[in-house]
Amino acid sequence: DTGVSQDPRHKITKRGQNVTFRCDPISEHNRLYWYRQTLGQGPEFLTYFQNEAQLEKSRLLSDRFSAERPKGSFSTLEIQRTEQGDSAMYLCASSLSRDRGGRPADTQYFGPGTRLTVL
Amino acid sequence: AQSVTQPDIHITVSEGASLELRCNYSYGATPYLFWYVQSPGQGLQLLLKYFSGDTLVQGIKGFEAEFKRSQSSFNLRKPSVHWSDAAEYFCARNSGGYNKLIFGAGTRLAVHP
Repeated sequence: DTGVSQDPRHKITKRGQNVTFRCDPISEHNRLYWYRQTLGQGPEFLTYFQNEAQLEKSRLLSDRFSAERPKGSFSTLEIQRTEQGDSAMYLCASSLSRDRGGRPADTQYFGPGTRLTVL
Repeated sequence: AQSVTQPDIHITVSEGASLELRCNYSYGATPYLFWYVQSPGQGLQLLLKYFSGDTLVQGIKGFEAEFKRSQSSFNLRKPSVHWSDAAEYFCARNSGGYNKLIFGAGTRLAVHP
């Protein structure tokens, strides 16, 4: 039973460059989430997908950020024209939308994260 | 807005001592509550969760938490801490729907031998 995986684990880039991160969720999970975590803080919600549909985006997700989940499986998060303030850990999580009893299932399982450093 | 507060930024305990990490959530619809643990440079691992029912929930690694609606609290406890428990602990709640989690700022736990 593989968990959530993320690639790359670390990314160092220069300001102004574009970066793309990948997340592979647990295979049967139809929901996929992106969070950002800065030093000394808890994760903050960025966006989430149910299957291939992006259902909510945080105000934190500026126009330079775009996320996709084209086939309802893996997802990518792209940051264009990176800024030093984008330096953070980007976490991906996945979940089911309903458990076996039909109740809302909100247990999210997290990947190891991608640590972005913008120089 | 819904929020989660972890009043203690850092806690240091001796190995073998008991532990309690505090978590308070803002009032709203019956919350789903979670405790996650994060080791340095790693993602978050779920320790335990509360959805409904018995207010004392058991988790992995010997942790437990108690939901107290009257105090809007969901404190995490462990009777005897091990050196390997040193990590950062995050309390979280659902947002009111089932589409995102709201996290506290975390409590960093140090364990002295």
